[in-house]
Amino acid sequence: RKEVEQDPGPFNVPEGATVAFNCTYSNSASQSFFWYRQDCRKEPKLLMSVYSSGNEDGRFTAQLNRASQYISLLIRDSKLSDSATYLCVVNPPGGYNKLIFGAGTRLAVHP
Amino acid sequence: NAGVTQTPKFQVLKTGQSMTLQCAQDMNHNSMYWYRQDPGMGLRLIYYSASEGTTDKGEVPNGYNVSRLNKREFSLRLESAAPSQTSVYFCASSERPGGVAEAFFGQGTRLTVV
Repeated sequence: RKEVEQDPGPFNVPEGATVAFNCTYSNSASQSFFWYRQDCRKEPKLLMSVYSSGNEDGRFTAQLNRASQYISLLIRDSKLSDSATYLCVVNPPGGYNKLIFGAGTRLAVHP
Repeated sequence: NAGVTQTPKFQVLKTGQSMTLQCAQDMNHNSMYWYRQDPGMGLRLIYYSASEGTTDKGEVPNGYNVSRLNKREFSLRLESAAPSQTSVYFCASSERPGGVAEAFFGQGTRLTVV
């Protein structure tokens, strides 16, 4: 089983739609969780951290469910510029800030 | 702001050739990483360096060596390139080991081994 698993998509949604991605992780002792965004042929960039209490940044909401070992990302009012691949990232125990990346979920927002 | 700089951006190698990918960061970060990204596989950790003077294997270290030259620089060497090493390579850095910290990535090196 992969340490971090994501639905690869693509998710094709119209502008203005709400879309949600889930990600599951295998190590229940994982400490930190993130969503990164990667545009085509570019480097990944941090979108947001995921906190135990959930957190929101504008149109983006991230949730963590430790009991079921998954994290989610909700995007409201999708924009064309949201089209990208969204990477779920987990920091497993053991220190050294080692990050384990999921394969990513591709989102395509169309007019 | 330069951030993380990787060179070269593109490279074509013949099987058996060697090369070194260079990475430098100007954010005074302690931790540095090398990842490779293949279609459908996501980013896989090759090697990481928690701090200057230390390096450790990641998920896919075979065929690679690294050097943490100083706090700023972390290089990745392919001693005898193989077609299976065709990939996009990303260097990254983060502030400190063991904590919650954002990783900053370089723009990537697109390597093709023929």
